[in-house]
Amino acid sequence: AQKITQTQPGMFVQEKEAVTLDCTYDTSDQSYGLFWYKQPSSGEMIFLIYQGSYDEQNATEGRYSLNFQKARKSANLVISASQLGDSAMYFCAMRALMTGGNQFYFGTGTSLTVIP
Amino acid sequence: DAGITQSPRHKVTETGTPVTLRCHQTENHRYMYWYRQDPGHGLRLIHYSYGVKDTDKGEVSDGYSVSRSKTEDFLLTLESATSSQTSVYFCAISERGVNTEAFFGQGTRLTVV
Repeated sequence: AQKITQTQPGMFVQEKEAVTLDCTYDTSDQSYGLFWYKQPSSGEMIFLIYQGSYDEQNATEGRYSLNFQKARKSANLVISASQLGDSAMYFCAMRALMTGGNQFYFGTGTSLTVIP
Repeated sequence: DAGITQSPRHKVTETGTPVTLRCHQTENHRYMYWYRQDPGHGLRLIHYSYGVKDTDKGEVSDGYSVSRSKTEDFLLTLESATSSQTSVYFCAISERGVNTEAFFGQGTRLTVV
């Protein structure tokens, strides 16, 4: 079975500081993808960053980076230099083809608040 | 932005009535998904489709049915709405492959009274 776990319901960070949002996953597939999405208060789901299970380097997209530790099955999102506009819900997701049926499995999310 | 539209955006309905939500895409993506979002549960998959007339159940499919008669349209039907189906519903589309992200519609807020 596929499972995504986000253990931080809520997080606070000071503006301009870095913050790490935790995500662990469970799958028996060797090939899978890990995704992070942002959901601001307006409700839309915004794709942030992707990491493949065979990627040897951590993914980066601007101020977002993914700290991928395959042996520990973790895929933490790091946001550097936090901005007020980063306040939102953040969801970790996984996609596996063999046993996952091409579905996207989501965690329960982390609510991030950036403090001025 | 991916061309994906959900309708209606908001709906209030009475318990026991049927409700159909529509998802329309202009991207010709093979996979389409219906999720519901509830506080504390994240996004949970209701049903998904991997082609015209090819659908499968997700983890919370009870009380829901889907149809996909055209590539671009994926319909979610609540046969007899219940208060527990009050939620925000998201449609998503994707191509095949673990390295392709899902694109989401704007969501439909459904209230069953």
